[in-house]
Amino acid sequence: GAVVSQHPSRVICKSGTSVKIECRSLDFQATTMFWYRQFPKQSLMLMATSNEGSKATYEQGVEKDKFLINHASLTLSTLTVTSAHPEDSSFYICSARSAGLSSNQPQHFGDGTRLSIL
Amino acid sequence: QKEVEQNSGPLSVPEGAIASLNCTYSDRGSQSFFWYRQYSGKSPELIMFIYSNGDKEDGRFTAQLNKASQYVSLLIRDSQPSDSATYLCAVNTRGGSEKLVFGKGTKLTVNP
Repeated sequence: GAVVSQHPSRVICKSGTSVKIECRSLDFQATTMFWYRQFPKQSLMLMATSNEGSKATYEQGVEKDKFLINHASLTLSTLTVTSAHPEDSSFYICSARSAGLSSNQPQHFGDGTRLSIL
Repeated sequence: QKEVEQNSGPLSVPEGAIASLNCTYSDRGSQSFFWYRQYSGKSPELIMFIYSNGDKEDGRFTAQLNKASQYVSLLIRDSQPSDSATYLCAVNTRGGSEKLVFGKGTKLTVNP
């Protein structure tokens, strides 16, 4: 149980392209999903918390107009990197937590999306 | 600033030995604690979680929590080369915060 699917797994595109990443909870409903970014040999950095049916909460320093998050259903959240540039190249990972349970429940991670901007 | 500290390693142990991974946290109000394993180039995978003081065992893994000392550890018995990975400690703090604070991880190498 607690499977999170993330797609695509890898994206290579030109500078200026917008890239959409999908995160789905396959066997549970997720009121809250999280988006992280991880640079090589560094730990995970939380970018934003996504709540179903409401606006995402962004961490300090993360541009909300650059990283658009939509959480339209209890099983799907999307992250769109708008007008991506080489410095946006990173490993983007989503996680999800079951709906209806306390915030003490674990987060389950998707497989991540490796984004490379040329 | 809520912090989670881990020794970055690398920690090397021989196959079959016990690997001991340690983590301290700064927020005394922390309520739940998680250990994730991350292989190189992959996303984190949940290994264990613990909420109460004491030990929690699951197969070869034992999580230990001491809230008074603000210390959580992960023991891996009968270590295997396949256990070689970076282990991330994560803490969920009190007050309804949904966010996990991650340590930087300890890199474990199990030598055959």
